Formats: sequence, C-alpha cells, structure tokens
Amino acid sequence: DSGVTQTPKHLITATGQRVTLRCSPRSGDLSVYWYQQSLDQGLQFLIQYYNGEERAKGNILERFSAQQFPDLHSELNLSSLELGDSALYFCASSVDFAQNQYFGPGTRLLVL
Amino acid sequence: AQSVTQLGSHVSVSEGALVLLRCNYSSSVPPYLFWYVQYPNQGLQLLLKYTTGATLVKGINGFEAEFKKSETSFHLTKPSAHMSDAAEYFCAVSDAAANAGNMLTFGGGTRLMVKP
Repeated sequence: DSGVTQTPKHLITATGQRVTLRCSPRSGDLSVYWYQQSLDQGLQFLIQYYNGEERAKGNILERFSAQQFPDLHSELNLSSLELGDSALYFCASSVDFAQNQYFGPGTRLLVL
Repeated sequence: AQSVTQLGSHVSVSEGALVLLRCNYSSSVPPYLFWYVQYPNQGLQLLLKYTTGATLVKGINGFEAEFKKSETSFHLTKPSAHMSDAAEYFCAVSDAAANAGNMLTFGGGTRLMVKP
C-alpha cells in the first residue's frame, strides 16, 4: 500500500458525460501528479500540482482539468467524454517535486 | 524532449534464469532514471532509481540496473527469476533540473513472464 488513495476504483459512464476522479496523497506529500494509462497511448503524464498550484502540464486535453485543494487532495475532471477516454487514471504523490513518486491503485474509467 | 524505448514488449524466462529488461532513453539534459513494476490490477511500485553518483543501482526484490551514459541505457537485471516477478515493468525518465516539475516519461512497458 503506497498510502495514496483514489476513488472511485471503477467508473462506467456514457459518451458526452462528465466525471470527477479524486486523489488523496500520502500524508505530508505536497505534490500530486495525474497519469493516464491506455492501451494505445501507454502511460502518459497529464498534469502536476504542487501545494495547490499547477506545476507542469503534459498531454492533457482541454476537456480535462484538475485542481489541488487546500487539504492537498486533488480532483481530475473529465468532460464531454469520448470512447477514447477509457483508460486507467493514476494519481501519484511526492514530498517535493524532486522526490520519489508514489502511485495510487488507479481509477478505471470505461466510457460506453 | 525526453523519450524512453523499451526493447521487447514481452519477455519470457524460466524460473531461476537471468532477467534482462532493456531500456534506452533520450534526454537533452542529465536525466533521472527509474524502473517501476506493475502487478495486475495494481498501481506502479518503484523498483529503483538513478539520480547521480554510482551508476550501478540496487533496488528491491533483487533487481539492479546500470546507467550507461555512453549507450544511453538503463537496463534492468535480476540474476535469478522467481515466479513472483511476473509483472509489467516500466522504465521512466525525468528531467534532473530542479525546476522541471519532475514529470515522468514512461516507456511502453515490458511484460515479464516466468515459466516454471
């Protein structure tokens, strides 16, 4: 158990819908990262927050957004969902942006 | 931009045999290099990492990797495979610069199968 929690574990929804994925980092970690793992794209970095502020952005679609709250948990919002958004979404956290990243168990999203 | 190439999406070894998983990277700046393991239906677990210093890095579960700058490689090895090593392995690189955000760029993964 990495200490990073993600909810929900599974999510099934329809095209065009909006969902919110939640991540609670390890106690004391200030940095949160979101990654997408899909069969065709592999593991891709989406976005990073550090102590509430956006730190780095990767291949994140405009339909996707994220934020980190004062209690350091983070949410990833996915809107206007398409079939191709079906994937495993991982959250990771680290103490600082130069330290080891610890991964949560992921949220498996299926868009029908 | 950084990239990682893992040669061989599937590797099969016999129990007790040497495990060798290949990783080559491309980076315009000094990299940090990582190996992660993913067991079925689980998140990624850090096996080992290279930042600076000694180029031979030892990790958990008997794995080690050697950073070879001249070959831009960071291959993962284990002298004797165990059935419990069957999993998917990911090599990753991040920018060592302090202000780079530390995002990881992953390779495509190598699924290790261990035959009894």
